[in-house]
Amino acid sequence: ETGVTQSPTHLIKTRGQQVTLRCSSQSGHNTVSWYQQALGQGPQFIFQYYREEENGRGNFPPRFSGLQFPNYSSELNVNALELDDSALYLCASSQGTVFLYGYTFGSGTRLTVV
Amino acid sequence: KNEVEQSPQNLTAQEGEFITINCSYSVGISALHWLQQHPGGGIVSLFMLSSGKKKHGRLIATINIQEKHSSLHITASHPRDSAVYICAVRSTSGNTPLVFGKGTRLSVIA
Repeated sequence: ETGVTQSPTHLIKTRGQQVTLRCSSQSGHNTVSWYQQALGQGPQFIFQYYREEENGRGNFPPRFSGLQFPNYSSELNVNALELDDSALYLCASSQGTVFLYGYTFGSGTRLTVV
Repeated sequence: KNEVEQSPQNLTAQEGEFITINCSYSVGISALHWLQQHPGGGIVSLFMLSSGKKKHGRLIATINIQEKHSSLHITASHPRDSAVYICAVRSTSGNTPLVFGKGTRLSVIA
């Protein structure tokens, strides 16, 4: 049984650029959620995908978008990067949306916008 | 006011000490999670609770639904326990899978 894998682990981008972060879900999990964690803060919910459809979104602007693929892997895309987008981006996978069985988290992608 | 509050924010303990980290929340929940985050970012799920108490090794988690409060205890603490411990709740309202506290940074000194 594999865990959740995120890539890349670290990334440096320039303000105004676009970035794509990737997440491979744990085997058997069909739900993935993405979180942004600023330094010294708890993670904040960005959005969630269940069976390739977005079924929940936090307080993030539309330039944060996502995809989930038939194999349940996922991407987070951020357009027009701003300095405040610098953070650790975490994804977590789970089975279904009732969350009876908990979450498996990836190690995160640390994004720095300069 | 955050929906999930943790205390203390920072904690330094001597090896062997008994440690308690507290979490209070203001929303109705279906479950509460205790998570461990090491430097570098990876998060490990320690416990998922909806009532009572759970124990795993030297870790014990309790929850009081009526008081909207949970505690994480570490017995016989060890330097390898040094990490950030995060409380997160699954709210019964809204569409947010998890609402997180800011975490408690624990340093255990040998």
